[in-house]
Amino acid sequence: SQTIHQWPATLVQPVGSPLSLECTVEGTSNPNLYWYRQAAGRGLQLLFYSVGIGQISSEVPQNLSASRPQDRQFILSSKKLLLSDSGFYLCAWSGDTINEQFFGPGTRLTVL
Amino acid sequence: GIQVEQSPPDLILQEGANSTLRCNFSDSVNNLQWFHQNPWGQLINLFYIPSGTKQNGRLSATTVATERYSLLYISSSQTTDSGVYFCAVERFGQNFVFGPGTRLSVLP
Repeated sequence: SQTIHQWPATLVQPVGSPLSLECTVEGTSNPNLYWYRQAAGRGLQLLFYSVGIGQISSEVPQNLSASRPQDRQFILSSKKLLLSDSGFYLCAWSGDTINEQFFGPGTRLTVL
Repeated sequence: GIQVEQSPPDLILQEGANSTLRCNFSDSVNNLQWFHQNPWGQLINLFYIPSGTKQNGRLSATTVATERYSLLYISSSQTTDSGVYFCAVERFGQNFVFGPGTRLSVLP
């Protein structure tokens, strides 16, 4: 069966520091991968999605970037964090036939 | 883009009660999912239901795509049902858009 991992689970970073969040999927090949952000008490906002290695689409302009160096690895990065980058970051995957999305456990980021 | 509304925004139930959550969307969609976000933040898939009716234990869902809404029924609610329920819709060739959620609290 398929599983999706995210790490770290929680992160506290100072303003201006870099960021790297990692997401990996097991048990499937060529998944579609997604990064979402959820602000406190709010819904999910799609940040990036990828349909294959090296293919990244951004949904909103922001201080973040994404990369997909391997088929089942998706990385969310920032060179300099802002206070507004705080939130709950969720990675998701879907297959290439039926677009049912499955989510990882998330990373809770606090920027101080 | 497509708009997704969920009602009610908040719901408080006594354990054992039944409830209906609603998701309205502004345009035709080809996919719809219901999720439960537990108190630890994990999003749990409940239903993948672009149309029709599905049941899974105490939960069932109905999507009427032609009328642009979906309903999630929770029967005999339990405290573990507490959390936020999201619907998410996908329009042809576009990515999923999430509704704002319904926050459910089930009291013992």
